[in-house]
Amino acid sequence: EAGVAQSPRYKIIEKRQSVAFWCNPISGHATLYWYQQILGQGPKLLIQFQNNGVVDDSQLPKDRFSAERLKGVDSTLKIQPAKLEDSAVYLCASSSGVWTQYFGPGTRLLVL
Amino acid sequence: QQQVKQSPQSLIVQKGGISIINCAYENTAFDYFPWYQQFPGKGPALLIAIRPDVSEKKEGRFTISFNKSAKQFSLHIMDSQPGDSATYFCAAARYGGSQGNLIFGKGTKLSVKP
Repeated sequence: EAGVAQSPRYKIIEKRQSVAFWCNPISGHATLYWYQQILGQGPKLLIQFQNNGVVDDSQLPKDRFSAERLKGVDSTLKIQPAKLEDSAVYLCASSSGVWTQYFGPGTRLLVL
Repeated sequence: QQQVKQSPQSLIVQKGGISIINCAYENTAFDYFPWYQQFPGKGPALLIAIRPDVSEKKEGRFTISFNKSAKQFSLHIMDSQPGDSATYFCAAARYGGSQGNLIFGKGTKLSVKP
């Protein structure tokens, strides 16, 4: 079974630029999550999708972050414009049921 | 009330020793407590998880102890090996009614010395 795929793996941008991350969940997993992991901290949920609908986006900074999951499969997370404090690893996870979330390798973002 | 507090921040253990990591939570509505293991450059991977209806769960060298009244749970790694060197995160979630999001602790960096 293929795992959660994410791209790119690394990204360096200047502040105020825009950036997009892509996630392909495990086949058949209806639930998709985006987490932000700042260095030295645990992951923090940004947004949760059930199929192509948003379940929870209460911690998503909506003035600069957006996410979509068209057709209920792949998902894209966008930051526009980026700030220095957005430097972090962005993790995508997926789940087929209630309990176990499977994480991808993450995209490491550095904002200069 | 949504926080999960994890300690210690870092831990050094000799090969063959026991590693113990502790977590505490406030929200009594949490009903799912997983532990994740993360190696550098990788995403977290589920190690073991427990529901509050049991006080202990063991899988191989890994054991979760759960104390509902104290709102605490811990991970014990028996016979620790250098390959166990990683960052460990406890988490908690409320799954009543729908798939809830995981609230993670800040992590414990474990180093097992040969």
